[in-house]
Amino acid sequence: DTEVTQTPKHLVMGMTNKKSLKCEQHMGHRAMYWYKQKAKKPPELMFVYSYEKLSINESVPSRFSPECPNSSLLNLHLHALQPEDSALYLCASSQELRKAGYGYTFGSGTRLTVV
Amino acid sequence: DAKTTQPNSMESNEEEPVHLPCNHSTISGTDYIHWYRQLPSQGPEYVIHGLTSNVNNRMASLAIAEDRKSSTLILHRATLRDAAVYYCILKSLPGNTGKLIFGQGTTLQVKP
Repeated sequence: DTEVTQTPKHLVMGMTNKKSLKCEQHMGHRAMYWYKQKAKKPPELMFVYSYEKLSINESVPSRFSPECPNSSLLNLHLHALQPEDSALYLCASSQELRKAGYGYTFGSGTRLTVV
Repeated sequence: DAKTTQPNSMESNEEEPVHLPCNHSTISGTDYIHWYRQLPSQGPEYVIHGLTSNVNNRMASLAIAEDRKSSTLILHRATLRDAAVYYCILKSLPGNTGKLIFGQGTTLQVKP
């Protein structure tokens, strides 16, 4: 299995809702990432996890709450989002943080719309 | 991580080779050069990476200048499916934080 699977593919949520995005990989990768991508812009890093521990939070608002329950799963919990949070949310994984000579594998993303 | 500079856009004809340039004049000796591409409505896809020597894989070739201050991604025979945004990114090994930081990239159009 060489894929990163993200669910759901599309999500519409109200500003008072709570929802979660899910990301799964079975490649034995120990580093996982969340990115946010607005239309016609490059992906922006949000969070980095290494061995199930949060390594980097790129000053992301607390309405986004990541969780890594095990080495294969990464969740992003969403609460009280704003319409400007509407974007494509991408999950990625890589072998380990300290290995710069390996590629990252990205999922296809969750297209989030906040109404 | 050091910065890269790429042209905003390039055009190519189908079935012709494409050379996508990337400048990275502040590259350090331990920076790997990574290339990713993003097709419309998809997540980024790893293409190739290298450190000092030229590299080939099934998708593309990576030519690295002798001084490592620039590199070129080569698609040997462009197809319509190669139309995408191509990102050149430097990844440093010492103290690697895991950050893969995307610049603006090059939007490649392939004409039939």
